[in-house]
Amino acid sequence: ELKVEQNPLFLSMQEGKNYTIYCNYSTTSDRLYWYRQDPGKSLESLFVLLSNGAVKQEGRLMASLDTKARLSTLHITAAVHDLSATYFCAVEDGGATNKLIFGTGTLLAVQP
Amino acid sequence: NAGVTQTPKFQVLKTGQSMTLQCAQDMNHNSMYWYRQDPGMGLRLIYYSASEGTTDKGEVPNGYNVSRLNKREFSLRLESAAPSQTSVYFCASSEQGWTEAFFGQGTRLTVV
Repeated sequence: ELKVEQNPLFLSMQEGKNYTIYCNYSTTSDRLYWYRQDPGKSLESLFVLLSNGAVKQEGRLMASLDTKARLSTLHITAAVHDLSATYFCAVEDGGATNKLIFGTGTLLAVQP
Repeated sequence: NAGVTQTPKFQVLKTGQSMTLQCAQDMNHNSMYWYRQDPGMGLRLIYYSASEGTTDKGEVPNGYNVSRLNKREFSLRLESAAPSQTSVYFCASSEQGWTEAFFGQGTRLTVV
């Protein structure tokens, strides 16, 4: 059974600082997704990582995937307040019917 | 283009009452999902439907039933609501063979 773990669960950081969110998963998978959720809102797709070594960047966020280590990272560079949100990773649970299994989420609060 | 539409957005039920959460998508997606989101637990899959006419249990199916009415619509029914079902419910859809999921706005359900 696929398990997905994120850490930290909560991250308070100052504007201008860098930090990394980690996503570990328990069984082999080649597809991993990062989502953002603002308070009271739905989930918005940020990144789709499809293969080992994949790296995607958008603004101050960069996501990478290491399928051999079963690890993905979401790196935040020079954080700004607008990045405050909850970030989820989700891993494809393969088999006859593909579905996504989500991590617990990381609540990011960027302080001025 | 509305994407994924859920109704209602908010609902309060008494213990033992029943209700159906509605979900419709206009992206011609084959796969549809119901998740629940609880604090500190991420999103957990309740049921999914890989294609019209098929449904399967996810991680937390107990107390729920689903109907894939047609390709567009996937409903979630609570036959006898319990306080443990207080949660935010998200419907999502994705293309066949592709698990990047697009989410509705969510239904905030409170069972008292």
